[in-house]
Amino acid sequence: GIQVEQSPPDLILQEGANSTLRCNFSDSVNNLQWFHQNPWGQLINLFYIPSGTKQNGRLSATTVATERYSLLYISSSQTTDSGVYFCAVLYYGGSQGNLIFGKGTKLSVKP
Amino acid sequence: DSGVTQTPKHLITATGQRVTLRCSPRSGDLSVYWYQQSLDQGLQFLIHYYNGEERAKGNILERFSAQQFPDLHSELNLSSLELGDSALYFCASSVQSSGTDTQYFGPGTRLTVL
Repeated sequence: GIQVEQSPPDLILQEGANSTLRCNFSDSVNNLQWFHQNPWGQLINLFYIPSGTKQNGRLSATTVATERYSLLYISSSQTTDSGVYFCAVLYYGGSQGNLIFGKGTKLSVKP
Repeated sequence: DSGVTQTPKHLITATGQRVTLRCSPRSGDLSVYWYQQSLDQGLQFLIHYYNGEERAKGNILERFSAQQFPDLHSELNLSSLELGDSALYFCASSVQSSGTDTQYFGPGTRLTVL
């Protein structure tokens, strides 16, 4: 099956710093999403980005499908950005697809 | 707020018991997906329903079953519960059957088996 690897596994930042999170995947994908899981456990959609670049405020994401990776950029980080960031890809195993999640990057932003 | 609702938020039960988790998808979404998040296995896909029909199965135990009703809400039934079933259970919904569109996640049900 498809492998999804995220790096780094842990990241500690000072408030105001920028960061880049990476997601590598081992096969072609038709769907890639980035999520933020907040400290209360809620999964929040950040981007649906099977290819190209998107921006939403301080966050942006780029997926280079041909090279099988995606990057999530967080600029001017805030304490509320803390939590775990997951990327998930669509894998066609069998007749239908389902999201395969990476293990996540745990981000801690210190004031 | 994703528009996906799940009840209950928390559930504490004993080994050997049976529980039912409920999910209401976003208005207009025909697909419902169930995922399990545990400390050792991470986030794993369980099952996918589209407009009442089962579309795909993932790592779902035989003790677990699900269905999607005509009003499109879905229920996940967990029986003969074991300590290892303690986890956060999410449902997600999307418009399409293929999974190639955005999946929106509910707030989850935290199950604790004692």
